[in-house]
Amino acid sequence: KAGVTQTPRYLIKTRGQQVTLSCSPISGHRSVSWYQQTPGQGLQFLFEYFSETQRNKGNFPGRFSGRQFSNSRSEMNVSTLELGDSALYLCASSSQGFLEQYFGPGTRLTVT
Amino acid sequence: QKEVEQNSGPLSVPEGAIASLNCTYSDRGSQSFFWYRQYSGKSPELIMFIYSNGDKEDGRFTAQLNKASQYVSLLIRDSQPSDSATYLCAVPTNTGNQFYFGTGTSLTVIP
Repeated sequence: KAGVTQTPRYLIKTRGQQVTLSCSPISGHRSVSWYQQTPGQGLQFLFEYFSETQRNKGNFPGRFSGRQFSNSRSEMNVSTLELGDSALYLCASSSQGFLEQYFGPGTRLTVT
Repeated sequence: QKEVEQNSGPLSVPEGAIASLNCTYSDRGSQSFFWYRQYSGKSPELIMFIYSNGDKEDGRFTAQLNKASQYVSLLIRDSQPSDSATYLCAVPTNTGNQFYFGTGTSLTVIP
């Protein structure tokens, strides 16, 4: 089975811009979760989608949003980028929510 | 208090020794506990998870839960240099609607 894929792998944006990241889960997995990883805060849960519905949400501002399509692919959007949004954004897919999550390689976002 | 806390280390052990990693959690109602390994520059990979009803052994890895003290430990027996990585503990909330990671413990196994 192909693993979780994320595009793009690297991204440089300017403050105030918006960005969209994409995640394709493992075939058959209907749950996709998104995480932000920074050296200071570690891995932080953003949200989880299951069958096109946001099922769970972490403690991030409304600038962070996402969606899931009928083929389980998911996108995450960050609007009005801030310097502090620079991070590695990871998505993880699972057949059962938080159990047995498989992570993608991540998208490294740099905001200048 | 953070939801999940780990000693950041670094923890160094000689090859062949037992490495012991600990994690404390704040939600007394948490029912499941996860250990991930993350190599430098790579994404996390799940090593094992346990439920609140018991410990678990998988090869050289053993996960143990102390519910009274609210901590989870991961023991790595016969540590190998390839075990050198950051180990992340993760715990979903009791309601299962959020998933908290610790900041990780860096382990170095010295040949």
